[in-house]
Amino acid sequence: GDSVTQMEGPVTLSEEAFLTINCTYTATGYPSLFWYVQYPGEGLQLLLKATKADDKGSNKGFEATYRKETTSFHLEKGSVQVSDSAVYFCALTLSGGSYIPTFGRGTSLIVHP
Amino acid sequence: EAGVAQSPRYKIIEKRQSVAFWCNPISGHATLYWYQQILGQGPKLLIQFQNNGVVDDSQLPKDRFSAERLKGVDSTLKIQPAKLEDSAVYLCASSLVGGASTDTQYFGPGTRLTVL
Repeated sequence: GDSVTQMEGPVTLSEEAFLTINCTYTATGYPSLFWYVQYPGEGLQLLLKATKADDKGSNKGFEATYRKETTSFHLEKGSVQVSDSAVYFCALTLSGGSYIPTFGRGTSLIVHP
Repeated sequence: EAGVAQSPRYKIIEKRQSVAFWCNPISGHATLYWYQQILGQGPKLLIQFQNNGVVDDSQLPKDRFSAERLKGVDSTLKIQPAKLEDSAVYLCASSLVGGASTDTQYFGPGTRLTVL
């Protein structure tokens, strides 16, 4: 079935470090890809998305590029802040279906001052 | 604009007891979702409503879980009787339309259930 695999956490970084969180997927058809963020004590929020191959989603300094050849959608940020500490979920939806996201397990990011 | 509201935020019960969770979606959102998020995993859809009708409840353990959305607004999710493996965060989300790639789901803060 369709699935999303994320790198294990926690990822621990110092402020202003470069961030990469890896995400790969398996899907029949042509999925749309998403990154959600969950701050402590809050619900999930959509961070960015890409709906077709080679699209780049971006928001709040975060970027991810839809790579069909490697079935990947890695999340990157050039300079993280303490306020970026959260759990990040990669997800996919399939066109022609109900558009219910299939989520990865989540990757915890901890940023130290 | 008010977000998705859920209550209670935390609940601790013993196995075989009953529990109910409440969700108030964003005003005007037709579609409402309940997810179960077990520690260390991503959210898994339990049930999706379109207005007050069920669209998808294929992952809902119907022998113990039930949900309703009377009048197409608020929703209640019930577990009766609870099992240890039901310990999780229960997330409610809503979206304007549902069933479209451009539709964004907005999540509530969740209810953390602990079954002892």
